[in-house]
Amino acid sequence: GDSVTQMEGPVTLSEEAFLTINCTYTATGYPSLFWYVQYPGEGLQLLLKATKADDKGSNKGFEATYRKETTSFHLEKGSVQVSDSAVYFCALAGSGGSNYKLTFGKGTLLTVNP
Amino acid sequence: KAGVTQTPRYLIKTRGQQVTLSCSPISGHRSVSWYQQTPGQGLQFLFEYFSETQRNKGNFPGRFSGRQFSNSRSEMNVSTLELGDSALYLCASSPTGQFNQPQHFGDGTRLSIL
Repeated sequence: GDSVTQMEGPVTLSEEAFLTINCTYTATGYPSLFWYVQYPGEGLQLLLKATKADDKGSNKGFEATYRKETTSFHLEKGSVQVSDSAVYFCALAGSGGSNYKLTFGKGTLLTVNP
Repeated sequence: KAGVTQTPRYLIKTRGQQVTLSCSPISGHRSVSWYQQTPGQGLQFLFEYFSETQRNKGNFPGRFSGRQFSNSRSEMNVSTLELGDSALYLCASSPTGQFNQPQHFGDGTRLSIL
């Protein structure tokens, strides 16, 4: 079945540091890939998405590129802020006909210190 | 445009009771999915509904059930509650549930079992 593996946290960075959160996946066909962010006490917010190979999703300074050859979708940001502190989830939606669900990684807690 | 609305935000129940959670999707969205979030298991898919029909179901016991109404609003029910059912229950909606559409999440219902 489909699965997502993302780097274990927690990750602690200083403000303006470079961020990478690794994400790899296993799926048949050509899934869509997503990054979601969860702030304390809230639901998940879509951060960015990519629906086909070599697509780059970007939003709020975050980027991730859909790499079919390495089955990866790593999240990057050049300069993090304190307000980026949250839990980040990598997810995939399989392209199978009766899928209709997201499969999530375990989540990575990011703390950014001033 | 109003987001996904879940009610209630918090619930406290005792073992053996049953509970009903409600979800109103974004206007125009006909696909509604439910997820359980726990510290140990992470985010797990419960079920997905489209046009009042359940199209996919996760690996949960029959105590977990759901339904969708003609206005796309959805409810999930958990009967004979167990301590392990304590979790954040998240509802998500999308236009038709297709794999290339991001799902939009509500803030969840926090269920605590005493």
